[in-house]
Amino acid sequence: AQSVTQLDSHVSVSEGTPVLLRCNYSSSYSPSLFWYVQHPNKGLQLLLKYTSAATLVKGINGFEAEFKKSETSFHLTKPSAHMSDAAEYFCVVSALKAAGNKLTFGGGTRVLVKP
Amino acid sequence: DAGITQSPRHKVTETGTPVTLRCHQTENHRYMYWYRQDPGHGLRLIHYSYGVKDTDKGEVSDGYSVSRSKTEDFLLTLESATSSQTSVYFCAIGGGLDNEQFFGPGTRLTVL
Repeated sequence: AQSVTQLDSHVSVSEGTPVLLRCNYSSSYSPSLFWYVQHPNKGLQLLLKYTSAATLVKGINGFEAEFKKSETSFHLTKPSAHMSDAAEYFCVVSALKAAGNKLTFGGGTRVLVKP
Repeated sequence: DAGITQSPRHKVTETGTPVTLRCHQTENHRYMYWYRQDPGHGLRLIHYSYGVKDTDKGEVSDGYSVSRSKTEDFLLTLESATSSQTSVYFCAIGGGLDNEQFFGPGTRLTVL
């Protein structure tokens, strides 16, 4: 079984300040973990992924995430928020099964960036 | 959107009518998926396919059926639409070594 909890449903930051989106997971397997971003009325775009290589993962648009097995966390950060970062973000865990990989999504964190 | 199209992009229908949504890919991926997105739930898997004519249920499959007669097309059918099936539906492809999936632009379905 696997599950994902995003600890904040909404986050509000000022432009130029750091962004932290928190994610905890549970998985019976060694997981693959992802962060996706969804801008209004758009599809989902992959920001970054962890697949058991380096625990600090760098993604697009200045985002990065750190895999901490002892804390079962995969928090997403960005040093300086930009107005274009306003979107909804999903933390996702993958369990590998013989017939393919199923993804389990967190409930999402909506980010508001204030000028 | 990684060579994935969905049609229609918007649809309004009435309770009890059949509805079919289409997902088309040009990437030749083996695996295809249908999800629904509802506020506070993220995306939830409806059905998926691991090859032509090979499909399986996801976590919210009741009221939905799928078919895949060609590698590039994956159809989602609501046999008799209900208001609880009002949602945004996303198709995805993937299943590679890194387990990542690529998503289509979505179909917004409203059942009145």
